[in-house]
Amino acid sequence: EPEVTQTPSHQVTQMGQEVILRCVPISNHLYFYWYRQILGQKVEFLVSFYNNEISEKSEIFDDQFSVERPDGSNFTLKIRSTKLEDSAMYFCASSEGRGGTDTQYFGPGTRLTVL
Amino acid sequence: AQTVTQSQPEMSVQEAETVTLSCTYDTSESDYYLFWYKQPPSRQMILVIRQEAYKQQNATENRFSVNFQKAAKSFSLKISDSQLGDAAMYFCAYINYGGSQGNLIFGKGTKLSVKP
Repeated sequence: EPEVTQTPSHQVTQMGQEVILRCVPISNHLYFYWYRQILGQKVEFLVSFYNNEISEKSEIFDDQFSVERPDGSNFTLKIRSTKLEDSAMYFCASSEGRGGTDTQYFGPGTRLTVL
Repeated sequence: AQTVTQSQPEMSVQEAETVTLSCTYDTSESDYYLFWYKQPPSRQMILVIRQEAYKQQNATENRFSVNFQKAAKSFSLKISDSQLGDAAMYFCAYINYGGSQGNLIFGKGTKLSVKP
């Protein structure tokens, strides 16, 4: 069964450094998402992406964040200058159709630790 | 703004027994979807069950079923014949049908333990 994959599983970085989290969505899916989960808190929506542009973003997704689909398979989340409060589990998800009608399938997540 | 509330941080069930996880939500929309996701210790969130708000019939997937009460804005998950593999975090989630491009709104989750 097709799955969303994410790399790395765990990323440790120093405050102020740039990180890129990578995701490979399910191959026939057209909509892509990033969510994050700070330890002990709710899973929160960050951004959705369709047709090579951002469809929707939350208040969390400020200028420090960017997303890109650099090729036909990868979907990346970049944090330009990490802060301590960026430490969280980051989940990528994809759906075949629009997220309101089609189920979003999640990857296993990347745990980001900012020191 | 829509919210999702799971009032049970932790639940425990004996193997083979039945357990019900609670979820309430708040919305002014009439057309939306509700989900239960399972997150085992391996971390990958897996869809358990999905309910369209316009459907009156409660969704069922094998041992998993929901009790969807639209007027009460309640969406509970019942797990029958609980198995050790059901032990996980369970998240209730909501999404608008119209307008939203995919913003799932999650509850805080309920940690389910299954005792042998």
